[in-house]
Amino acid sequence: GAGVSQTPSNKVTEKGKYVELRCDPISGHTALYWYRQSLGQGPEFLIYFQGTGAADDSGLPNDRFFAVRPEGSVSTLKIQRTERGDSAVYLCASSLRGGTPYEQYFGPGTRLTVT
Amino acid sequence: DAKTTQPTSMDCAEGRAANLPCNHSTISGNEYVYWYRQIHSQGPQYIIHGLKNNETNEMASLIITEDRKSSTLILPHATLRDTAVYYCIVRVSNNYGQNFVFGPGTRLSVLP
Repeated sequence: GAGVSQTPSNKVTEKGKYVELRCDPISGHTALYWYRQSLGQGPEFLIYFQGTGAADDSGLPNDRFFAVRPEGSVSTLKIQRTERGDSAVYLCASSLRGGTPYEQYFGPGTRLTVT
Repeated sequence: DAKTTQPTSMDCAEGRAANLPCNHSTISGNEYVYWYRQIHSQGPQYIIHGLKNNETNEMASLIITEDRKSSTLILPHATLRDTAVYYCIVRVSNNYGQNFVFGPGTRLSVLP
């Protein structure tokens, strides 16, 4: 079946611009996660949705970052006033339910470059 | 979540078993051990997870010591396509929706 998909695969934007990154989870998965991965490091948690609500947003670095999942399926990560330090690969994952022992399935990521 | 320690890198000859160790000496009784891998330019891929017993699936085997303070991921017949970064993660059970905390992982190079 279809896995997690993310669009766009690559995004180049200028410093100060606004960007939106989209995640389509596996159908029927109620839990959705966003991570950010910088070069040479493991993924870093940003936010977790259970259904439509953000159950844990403790990983969002500041108020320029925001994410929504209005219908409990597709999610959008929004970054305002982008900075060069926001350049990274943004990964989305979904799981059938939140918590253990449900494994998370990751998408291919969106590579964001802020110039 | 308990902290994990893995070697930075390892080499393995093609066709041989790859044994990737992970230390998680502060693991709690209800924490699962998960293994993921990440091939260059792709998202992390689930491999296997376990709590107390050894586990095996079509990809790998997971051996957890009796005291649960360490584990080993075994790829029985490594191929060049198994070259990747392997992450060992521990995660609390029944903790609704807790995220994974990834360390730097082990970079496995399978050599021809």
